[in-house]
Amino acid sequence: SAVISQKPSRDICQRGTSLTIQCQVDSQVTMMFWYRQQPGQSLTLIATANQGSEATYESGFVIDKFPISRPNLTFSTLTVSNMSPEDSSIYLCSVEAGRIGGEAFFGQGTRLTVV
Amino acid sequence: GNSVTQMEGPVTLSEEAFLTINCTYTATGYPSLFWYVQYPGEGLQLLLKATKADDKGSNKGFEATYRKETTSFHLEKGSVQVSDSAVYFCALSASRGGYGQNFVFGPGTRLSVLP
Repeated sequence: SAVISQKPSRDICQRGTSLTIQCQVDSQVTMMFWYRQQPGQSLTLIATANQGSEATYESGFVIDKFPISRPNLTFSTLTVSNMSPEDSSIYLCSVEAGRIGGEAFFGQGTRLTVV
Repeated sequence: GNSVTQMEGPVTLSEEAFLTINCTYTATGYPSLFWYVQYPGEGLQLLLKATKADDKGSNKGFEATYRKETTSFHLEKGSVQVSDSAVYFCALSASRGGYGQNFVFGPGTRLSVLP
């Protein structure tokens, strides 16, 4: 299993500003994943973060809006840039068990409200 | 592409009632199937999983059977408790061909259990 710590747990931000979310894992992992969960919705994958290379973004998400860092095998950050109220969501960091059929583990999430 | 469909919520039950939350999936190949639970203000926690046809996953009185012939993974519990109130997500994972797994989540079903 993996223990994932995310911070901040919640924040209220002004539109036009940026917020950086941190994710720390208690073991070394090759890939870390960032998801968005809009109010009352399911999870949508934003990007996959690999150590030592640029993140891979899913359709509809771009690096300028969601820059990601992955400086080592236990840590990643996601920045939500130039925020608007539509960015109000829960952002979740995740890692996988690293084997076929293995489960995904999640941090407790960052609840972001943009006003 | 891969997708997961689950019954619309919210579901409201009285304590000790029987619970069924339907989940069906579409996938190429042989996915693994999961149920995750999200309690208020928290991230997702794995509830149970099944990695091949006819496997039954079980945990905390919940169970689900991987039915390949009907592409289903319905969640059941014989007697729900107030503490089971949460949002339940059905999910699948499929190999990305040596590049980890691709997780796809259903829309979630909110369960409220009344005393």
